[in-house]
Amino acid sequence: GDSVTQMEGPVTLSEEAFLTINCTYTATGYPSLFWYVQYPGEGLQLLLKATKADDKGSNKGFEATYRKETTSFHLEKGSVQVSDSAVYFCALSEKTGGFKTIFGAGTRLFVKA
Amino acid sequence: GAGVSQSPSNKVTEKGKDVELRCDPISGHTALYWYRQSLGQGLEFLIYFQGNSAPDKSGLPSDRFSAERTGGSVSTLTIQRTQQEDSAVYLCASSTQPGSANEKLFFGSGTQLSVL
Repeated sequence: GDSVTQMEGPVTLSEEAFLTINCTYTATGYPSLFWYVQYPGEGLQLLLKATKADDKGSNKGFEATYRKETTSFHLEKGSVQVSDSAVYFCALSEKTGGFKTIFGAGTRLFVKA
Repeated sequence: GAGVSQSPSNKVTEKGKDVELRCDPISGHTALYWYRQSLGQGLEFLIYFQGNSAPDKSGLPSDRFSAERTGGSVSTLTIQRTQQEDSAVYLCASSTQPGSANEKLFFGSGTQLSVL
């Protein structure tokens, strides 16, 4: 079945450091790919998405490129801030998969001032 | 409403008791999902509703778990004879375009269930 694998956390960075959180997926068809973020004390919210190969999703300085050849959707940010501290979830949604969105295990990010 | 509302926000129960968790989706959202988030784990899909029907119940962990949705709106997740391993945050999400390339899930704040 479909699945999402993302790097284990926690990831601890200093402010202004470069961030990469790896995500790879397994799917039978052509899924849409998402990154959701959960800030402390808040609910999950969509951060960015890409719906087809080579698309780049971007929001709040974060980017991720849909790579079909490597089945990956790595999240990157050039310069993190303390306010980026949160748990990040990679996810996929595929119509042939029964209309459900499947999430990775989440990666906790701590950014130190 | 303005967002997905879940109640209660916290529930502490004794092993063996039944619990009901409620979700009010965003008005007009036809799709509703239940997920479970256990400590240190990712989001585990439980069940999906399109309108009042549940075409995908594949994630329900046992027959102690059931869910219903009425009027295409409010949904209730019921756990019978709770066990300690049921302790988790139960999240509800709704969306307007299930299975589409542009589907975006809107999540509630969750119900923290603790089974003693």
